[in-house]
Amino acid sequence: SYELTQPPSVSVSPGQTASITCSGDKLGDKYACWYQQKPGQSPVLVIYQDSKRPSGIPERFSGSNSGNTATLTISGTQAMDEADYYCQAQKVFGTGTKVTVL
Amino acid sequence: EVQLVESGGGLVQPGGSLRLSCAASGFTFSSYEMNWVRQAPGKGLEWVSYISSSGSTIYYADSVKGRFTISRDNAKNSLYLQMNSLRAEDTAVYYCARETGTTPWAFDIWGQGTMVTVSS
Repeated sequence: SYELTQPPSVSVSPGQTASITCSGDKLGDKYACWYQQKPGQSPVLVIYQDSKRPSGIPERFSGSNSGNTATLTISGTQAMDEADYYCQAQKVFGTGTKVTVL
Repeated sequence: EVQLVESGGGLVQPGGSLRLSCAASGFTFSSYEMNWVRQAPGKGLEWVSYISSSGSTIYYADSVKGRFTISRDNAKNSLYLQMNSLRAEDTAVYYCARETGTTPWAFDIWGQGTMVTVSS
């Protein structure tokens, strides 16, 4: 079965850039999307179709997808960005990454 | 306001059944593909099932195939998940989620979730 692997955790200082990777076989041949989930809340779509931002999502969230890796980048990270992030390709979700803003 | 509201969760014994509902409002429900996604306590997201806008195409995760049935009633703006032969490993928060309508498998609207606990 298809698998998507993410690092369990990423730490970033306020104002710096956080990069979260998502690895899967030939992932670049599929569309990837990303979700943000804060404790006790439902997931929120932050990136779809590799790099598109839904309405209302800040410009500091960006995405790319090539080869075997999709990447979510948070530029100028804010305290409010502390959350779990999940990638997704078709029906498969990634393992999830906890982003901590130190 | 575009909204999805799940209901029907609860405590059920192993081998039992439960029917989840998801009420949609604020958008033309019949035009969108819908999905169920679950999240076990402290764990990640797991896709469970998909249904096309008309209900003619349905997919299931291997973990629930043969036990769960997804359906929808476009006249009632509602999505359902009939869960039979429940197991302890089905314990999770169950979310209904709408696909974007332009990009398959991207879920732009999620409900608040309903908790299902399978335990004796």
